[in-house]
Amino acid sequence: AQSVSQHNHHVILSEAASLELGCNYSYGGTVNLFWYVQYPGQHLQLLLKYFSGDPLVKGIKGFEAEFIKSKFSFNLRKPSVQWSDTAEYFCAAGRGNQFYFGTGTSLTVIP
Amino acid sequence: NAGVTQTPKFQVLKTGQSMTLQCAQDMNHEYMSWYRQDPGMGLRLIHYSVGAGITDQGEVPNGYNVSRSTTEDFPLRLLSAAPSQTSVYFCASSYGGFGYTFGSGTRLTVV
Repeated sequence: AQSVSQHNHHVILSEAASLELGCNYSYGGTVNLFWYVQYPGQHLQLLLKYFSGDPLVKGIKGFEAEFIKSKFSFNLRKPSVQWSDTAEYFCAAGRGNQFYFGTGTSLTVIP
Repeated sequence: NAGVTQTPKFQVLKTGQSMTLQCAQDMNHEYMSWYRQDPGMGLRLIHYSVGAGITDQGEVPNGYNVSRSTTEDFPLRLLSAAPSQTSVYFCASSYGGFGYTFGSGTRLTVV
């Protein structure tokens, strides 16, 4: 069965620290991968997406993610976080129009 | 271009009452879906539609009905509200598998 796992449920970082959030998926065949961000009280917004090509994908606000096919992973990274990055982050995997979401990682950045 | 519009933003229901959550998109997206978001459980798919006149069940469909009479609208009906349906509900749409556009959500409390 298709599934997406996010192993970090809650991450606390100080400003300027580096961030890496894990995402592993279980999905047969070609898969499209996404990271969404949900700021407090808001809806989900697309951070970045991977369909094919360069496995290192750059998104908005300095975020990037690396697709490692052999590890079924699509980890999200940012070299230096800011207080404004405090949010919940969701990884999603799917094909066509149907996607499966992970349970989310709550990131708190301390000034 | 409003994107995905959900109404109402907040709603309190008594157990046993029925109501309809409205969702409309103006992007001519073929695919629309309803998710509920609960703490620690991420996003769970309730129902989805791949086009006007076509709907199907997701992961947690019990207690909810949908219809898709037009491309633009995808209302979610709660037949007889229960406290277990207290949640935040998100409508989303997509086209061609390029990722979802989410609405701003409806926070529903059932007392």
